[in-house]
Amino acid sequence: DTGVSQDPRHKITKRGQNVTFRCDPISEHNRLYWYRQTLGQGPEFLTYFQNEAQLEKSRLLSDRFSAERPKGSFSTLEIQRTEQGDSAMYLCASSFRNTEAFFGQGTRLTVV
Amino acid sequence: SQQGEEDPQALSIQEGENATMNCSYKTSINNLQWYRQNSGRGLVHLILIRSNEREKHSGRLRVTLDTSKKSSSLLITASRAADTASYFCATDIYGGGADGLTFGKGTHLIIQP
Repeated sequence: DTGVSQDPRHKITKRGQNVTFRCDPISEHNRLYWYRQTLGQGPEFLTYFQNEAQLEKSRLLSDRFSAERPKGSFSTLEIQRTEQGDSAMYLCASSFRNTEAFFGQGTRLTVV
Repeated sequence: SQQGEEDPQALSIQEGENATMNCSYKTSINNLQWYRQNSGRGLVHLILIRSNEREKHSGRLRVTLDTSKKSSSLLITASRAADTASYFCATDIYGGGADGLTFGKGTHLIIQP
């Protein structure tokens, strides 16, 4: 499978705990994006990397959220001190330059 | 507020009929993209249309773009049960491709067998 992969697919955590998600983009893609989607809504942009550089961050990305792409390949999204409002599907996508983005299957986070 | 807004929010048609979904947006764009999402799954890219293009086809899909009206439409011809999904339009914010794509709330399409 050479598509975008995300791990884990599902995560249940207690409020206040930290969680980390991983995204492996398509290998030749230099751009990587994180989105968040809640039920009945479209995806909301969180942040974007070009190679290892984080170029844009949405104001939705509070201080509790941090994303890295250390070697310009895979990326991690960490949420510290999770809150119930963080419950959502977290989507990762990758693209090559200005072409269409390919999305992973997402990580569904439930904060209890 | 969201850049793209799809209309209608929900659409139910009989298999074999054509389905038309519309998208309106607020600011100038470099391109507009349509995506499909099956329940609980990731998004699948359908078509990208650039601001200097007016129409694009891909199989049973036809997309039009009217930059003067800031609107786009997606037509699915000869619909099939497998077309049941949510469809989103997305516009670029920062200059092209998917960097900072802004999505609407989507149109939920149901194809009745």
